[in-house]
Amino acid sequence: QKEVEQNSGPLSVPEGAIASLNCTYSDRGSQSFFWYRQYSGKSPELIMSIYSNGDKEDGRFTAQLNKASQYVSLLIRDSQPSDSATYLCAAHGSGNTGKLIFGQGTTLQVKP
Amino acid sequence: ETGVTQTPRHLVMGMTNKKSLKCEQHLGHNAMYWYKQSAKKPLELMFVYNFKEQTENNSVPSRFSPECPNSSHLFLHLHTLQPEDSALYLCASSQFPGVGYEQYFGPGTRLTVT
Repeated sequence: QKEVEQNSGPLSVPEGAIASLNCTYSDRGSQSFFWYRQYSGKSPELIMSIYSNGDKEDGRFTAQLNKASQYVSLLIRDSQPSDSATYLCAAHGSGNTGKLIFGQGTTLQVKP
Repeated sequence: ETGVTQTPRHLVMGMTNKKSLKCEQHLGHNAMYWYKQSAKKPLELMFVYNFKEQTENNSVPSRFSPECPNSSHLFLHLHTLQPEDSALYLCASSQFPGVGYEQYFGPGTRLTVT
């Protein structure tokens, strides 16, 4: 069973701090990875995608990928209360079907 | 309309009813997906369509019947559901179904089976 694992949290950080969200995956053939943000009662919103080892930055968000360790992370700098949500990590399986495998999500709470 | 739309947004149905969920994407994509999100469980892929052809059925019970008449529209026909089928049903689309293509979700249909 190919899996994506996340700590369900909640992860609580003060406003202005860096939030660090982590994810591991079991399928060594996975090549592309995504972070989605899901507010309570809403659908997932894509915030970052990453395909190569290293860091990818977009505004306050930085995604990090380490394929050797099968590890993906998302850093949120200058966290705001509006960042409070569940963050879903997803990986494309090694087959070329487009099937995304999702983790259970990490709940982030940013306290003013 | 922009992005991915879904109707209805909320649906309550009895176990003997037949209903359909509708999804439409306005992104010019060629691949469409149905996902199920249950409480306390990861988002789970149900079906994948590429250019109207089903390319993946993730062992979904036959009481869920998908239909994709064209690349912009996707339906999920429901019949004789069980209470455990109550969940958020999400439609998504991507340019193509392969690895690396980003998937964008609609707002979802919150289904309650009584």
